[in-house]
Amino acid sequence: RKEVEQDPGPFNVPEGATVAFNCTYSNSASQSFFWYRQDCRKEPKLLMSVYSSGNEDGRFTAQLNRASQYISLLIRDSKLSDSATYLCAVNPSPFSGGYNKLIFGAGTRLAVHP
Amino acid sequence: DTGVSQDPRHKITKRGQNVTFRCDPISEHNRLYWYRQTLGQGPEFLTYFQNEAQLEKSRLLSDRFSAERPKGSFSTLEIQRTEQGDSAMYLCASSLASFSTDREDQPQHFGDGTRLSIL
Repeated sequence: RKEVEQDPGPFNVPEGATVAFNCTYSNSASQSFFWYRQDCRKEPKLLMSVYSSGNEDGRFTAQLNRASQYISLLIRDSKLSDSATYLCAVNPSPFSGGYNKLIFGAGTRLAVHP
Repeated sequence: DTGVSQDPRHKITKRGQNVTFRCDPISEHNRLYWYRQTLGQGPEFLTYFQNEAQLEKSRLLSDRFSAERPKGSFSTLEIQRTEQGDSAMYLCASSLASFSTDREDQPQHFGDGTRLSIL
C-alpha cells in the first residue's frame, strides 16, 4: 500500500460546480498535511495547509479526518483556472516541527470546462 | 520576488556525463529539500538540509548522487555517470523550521525545478 494515495481522476466538471478530492495516508502518527496545486510542467504551489480543525480559504475548504486517515479538498464554484493537478502531501513525522520531508500522492487531475 | 530559485531550468546531456544543479532557497529559510518528480507521479523526497547539515537521505539517492549546502544558503545536487532513468524534474524546496510545539509545520515552497533529459 502506498503511503499517500489519491484518485488520479481526471475529474471533468463544468464551471460553477463543486468538486471534492480525498487523499488517504497510511501513517497514523502523521501530524502535518498540505494541499498543493501543480500546473502542467510547472512546480507545485502551496494551496493550503490542513489543520486539525479544518480550514477555509475563499472557495477552497480542507478537512482532516484522523480516525479514517484521510484529508479532503473541496472546491466550490469551480473556475476554468482551477484546472490543474492537486497534490496532497503528508509529513510523516509524529512531531509538529520535526523532520518535515513530505510524502506526496500522485495527484488528482481536475479539468473544468465551460 | 525572492522565491526559491533553481538553475538551470533545463539540462540535456548524454548518458554517462555528470550534471550539477543549483538551488537558492528563500533567504530566511533554514531548511532545504530536494525532490525528484517523474511524469504522472508526485514529487519523491531525495534529501534535506537544516542549515549546512544534511539530515536525511532517501534510499532513492544512490551513490551517484551527492548534495551539498556548504554555507547553509544555496545547495547543489550532483549526479555522476548519469543514466536514462535519471531523467526527471528535480525540484528544490525550502521552509522555515518550527521548533515550537504550538506552531504548525511551516510549509515548503518549491522552485521552478530543473528538467533533466538524458539522451
